[in-house]
Amino acid sequence: DADVTQTPRNRITKTGKRIMLECSQTKGHDRMYWYRQDPGLGLRLIYYSFDVKDINKGEISDGYSVSRQAQAKFSLSLESAIPNQTALYFCATSERLAGIQETQYFGPGTRLLVL
Amino acid sequence: GQSLEQPSEVTAVEGAIVQINCTYQTSGFYGLSWYQQHDGGAPTFLSYNALDGLEETGRFSSFLSRSDSYGYLLLQELQMKDSASYFCAVRGSAGNMLTFGGGTRLMVKP
Repeated sequence: DADVTQTPRNRITKTGKRIMLECSQTKGHDRMYWYRQDPGLGLRLIYYSFDVKDINKGEISDGYSVSRQAQAKFSLSLESAIPNQTALYFCATSERLAGIQETQYFGPGTRLLVL
Repeated sequence: GQSLEQPSEVTAVEGAIVQINCTYQTSGFYGLSWYQQHDGGAPTFLSYNALDGLEETGRFSSFLSRSDSYGYLLLQELQMKDSASYFCAVRGSAGNMLTFGGGTRLMVKP
């Protein structure tokens, strides 16, 4: 079984609809992240959470919200989807390691199309 | 803020050596990472440099010069399966947030 899973894997929605992307992990990591990927722009951080009670905005949080329901679950919501939110969305996790490189482990991604 | 620059595309032949460069601007610096992403797949970690010098992992090596704000990923004995996108990422001053470059698409030809 995959360590980091995302649902759904593909989603088509209409402008103005509310949608939720879900991420679950079995790695036991405290830290979770949401990124979006657009062609030529790499990965951009939307939100991150260092533990259940800690939520922080990333580089491009406008139009998005998140919920950390448990250590293993981190959901991303688009309250009112718009076409320029069409992208590939990745969830990632990392383990807190003081002073040492923390490798990020990515889920398989959710491909979102907003019409 | 932080920004990273890397070439958008590189082409090389099987068996050759290729170097993918990355320059960065950042207010704080904790290290430079490299991730590989195959088409349709998720990014996976390749290497990390916190100090100047070369880190070698099999056919892949990564180099860092903090004074030049520069690093590179070196892939030797290229194989067709190395065709993928490669991203450099800087770990900034706060927590473990990574800022990614736009990625370099490597095409390996027979």
